[in-house]
Amino acid sequence: DAGITQSPRHKVTETGTPVTLRCHQTENHRYMYWYRQDPGHGLRLIHYSYGVKDTDKGEVSDGYSVSRSKTEDFLLTLESATSSQTSVYFCAISGADGNTIYFGEGSWLTVV
Amino acid sequence: GENVEQHPSTLSVQEGDSAVIKCTYSDSASNYFPWYKQELGKRPQLIIDIRSNVGEKKDQRIAVTLNKTAKHFSLHITETQPEDSAVYFCAAHNAGNMLTFGGGTRLMVKP
Repeated sequence: DAGITQSPRHKVTETGTPVTLRCHQTENHRYMYWYRQDPGHGLRLIHYSYGVKDTDKGEVSDGYSVSRSKTEDFLLTLESATSSQTSVYFCAISGADGNTIYFGEGSWLTVV
Repeated sequence: GENVEQHPSTLSVQEGDSAVIKCTYSDSASNYFPWYKQELGKRPQLIIDIRSNVGEKKDQRIAVTLNKTAKHFSLHITETQPEDSAVYFCAAHNAGNMLTFGGGTRLMVKP
C-alpha cells in the first residue's frame, strides 16, 4: 500500500465547529487530493494540490479549504461544519507515473 | 468538465458466471481509465487500468476494453467468486490531471 496516513480516522463534531483532516504521505509525490464519498454519489473531488502552496478546487469545493505547506502534508478544513458534510473523506496521492491514484484509509466524519 | 456514467448500479451474478460493468465518458481528451474495487469499510483499490493507446488489457480473470471512438470502456470479470463481491468504480483521467469517477456498481456474487 502507498504510504498515506489520514487522521483522525473517525470524528463526531457539532454543527458550526471547525474541523481539520490531515493527510500525510511518505512517497514524496507531487499531487495530492481530497475526495468525499457519499451513497449514490461515488467519489467526488473536493480540492487537489500539485505542489507546495499550489492548490485548486475540485467538483465540490464549497465549504472546504485546503493547505499544503510541506510536500508530505495536505490539510482539509471545514471552517464551519454542517450536517451535509457528514461523509467519508479520502485522501489520495498520484503515483510516480502521475496518473495512478492511491487512496488513504479514509476519515469518517459525522456532523451532528 | 469530465462526466463519467457507470452502469449498472447493482449487479447480481451466480458464482462462476461473468460480470460486465460499463462506463461512458464525455471528455475526448481523457487518456487514462482505471478501475477500483472497494470492499465494505475499506479504501478503493486499483485493480486494473488502461491507457488510450490500448484497446484491451487482461490480468487473470479481469479484463478491460476501451472504445475511444464511442467513448466507453468496460470491466469484465470471468469465473466470478464470492470474494469478487464489492463496489467497483470506473474513472477517467483528463489532461488536467484530475480523476473523475463513475457512480459505482455494487457486485454481488451468489455462491
